[in-house]
Amino acid sequence: AQSVTQLDSQVPVFEEAPVELRCNYSSSVSVYLFWYVQYPNQGLQLLLKYLSGSTLVKGINGFEAEFNKSQTSFHLRKPSVHISDTAEYFCAVNDLYGNKLVFGAGTILRVKS
Amino acid sequence: NAGVTQTPKFRVLKTGQSMTLLCAQDMNHEYMYWYRQDPGMGLRLIHYSVGEGTTAKGEVPDGYNVSRLKKQNFLLGLESAAPSQTSVYFCASSRTPGLAGTGGYEQYFGPGTRLTVT
Repeated sequence: AQSVTQLDSQVPVFEEAPVELRCNYSSSVSVYLFWYVQYPNQGLQLLLKYLSGSTLVKGINGFEAEFNKSQTSFHLRKPSVHISDTAEYFCAVNDLYGNKLVFGAGTILRVKS
Repeated sequence: NAGVTQTPKFRVLKTGQSMTLLCAQDMNHEYMYWYRQDPGMGLRLIHYSVGEGTTAKGEVPDGYNVSRLKKQNFLLGLESAAPSQTSVYFCASSRTPGLAGTGGYEQYFGPGTRLTVT
């Protein structure tokens, strides 16, 4: 079965600093990868996705992620964070049959002023 | 477009009581999902549906039932609530995964229902 590991449960960072949220997945077969963001007391919103093509994917709010097949990773990055980026971020991968997503445990990004 | 809506937003139940959570989507999506979210555990799939009249078990189905009588609605039922079912419940929907031209596998989420069972 597919699994997703988000290596950090919490990441504190100062405003305007760069940030990387790490995500590793288990499968070596074709995968589709996603990052979702959840602001406090809200549902999940799609940040970006990788389906095929360029391994560098750009999303909303200045975030980007790089698909690395050899390292089975899909790390999320932002060069300069804002206070408003404080949220929980979830990495997800499709299951082997393609009709369900498997989510990581989430990483809470805390941006400090 | 309202997207995915959930009712109610909050609910407190006593152990043994029953309730139904309603999810509605107006995007004409075939697939719908129910998840629960617990601290440090991400989202875990309870049940899902690949079309009107179909349902299937997810990762944590015990204690829950679902129905998809209409394409736009997906109901989650708790027949006899237990404190272990205290959680935040999210509904999601998606186009048919893999279908050409549908844009992929992403799911669209509702705002959630916070359920407390005492």
